[in-house]
Amino acid sequence: RKEVEQDPGPFNVPEGATVAFNCTYSNSASQSFFWYRQDCRKEPKLLMSVYSSGNEDGRFTAQLNRASQYISLLIRDSKLSDSATYLCVVNIPLHNKLIFGAGTRLAVHP
Amino acid sequence: GAGVSQTPSNKVTEKGKYVELRCDPISGHTALYWYRQSLGQGPEFLIYFQGTGAADDSGLPNDRFFAVRPEGSVSTLKIQRTERGDSAVYLCASSNNAGGGGYTFGSGTRLTVV
Repeated sequence: RKEVEQDPGPFNVPEGATVAFNCTYSNSASQSFFWYRQDCRKEPKLLMSVYSSGNEDGRFTAQLNRASQYISLLIRDSKLSDSATYLCVVNIPLHNKLIFGAGTRLAVHP
Repeated sequence: GAGVSQTPSNKVTEKGKYVELRCDPISGHTALYWYRQSLGQGPEFLIYFQGTGAADDSGLPNDRFFAVRPEGSVSTLKIQRTERGDSAVYLCASSNNAGGGGYTFGSGTRLTVV
């Protein structure tokens, strides 16, 4: 089993749509969780951290379910500029490193 | 510097040759990470430095890969006897708190072994 699993997509949605990405992780001791965004042929960039209480940043909402080892990202009112690959990222405790999922590709069309 | 700098941005080499990839982290960041990303995959961990020492090199695929960070700042990833399967984007990242928070990545070195 991969340490971080994501649906690869692609998700093709019209502008204005709401889209949700899911991610599961295998290490129950993980403490830090993130979503990164990666544009084509660019480096990954931190989108947002994910907290147990859930957190929101504008149109983006991240949720964490520790019991199910599940993380989600919700994007409301999708924009063309949201088209990218979204990477689910989990830390490995005691090893101080982050493990990345393979990413979910989003394509927003007019 | 303002961001993580990686050089070269692109490197084409012949199978069997030796290559060096350089990473200049954000000034003051003590943690430095190397990842490798193949097409359609997420970044794969290679090695992590805390200061000058390699704290975790468990991701290095074999003994052809080696990395150093002699002064706790710039790091060099070295690949000997390159193989076509080494072709990928090599990403460097740095952070100021040993993995507890997010990383800042450089723009990567695209290595192509022909």
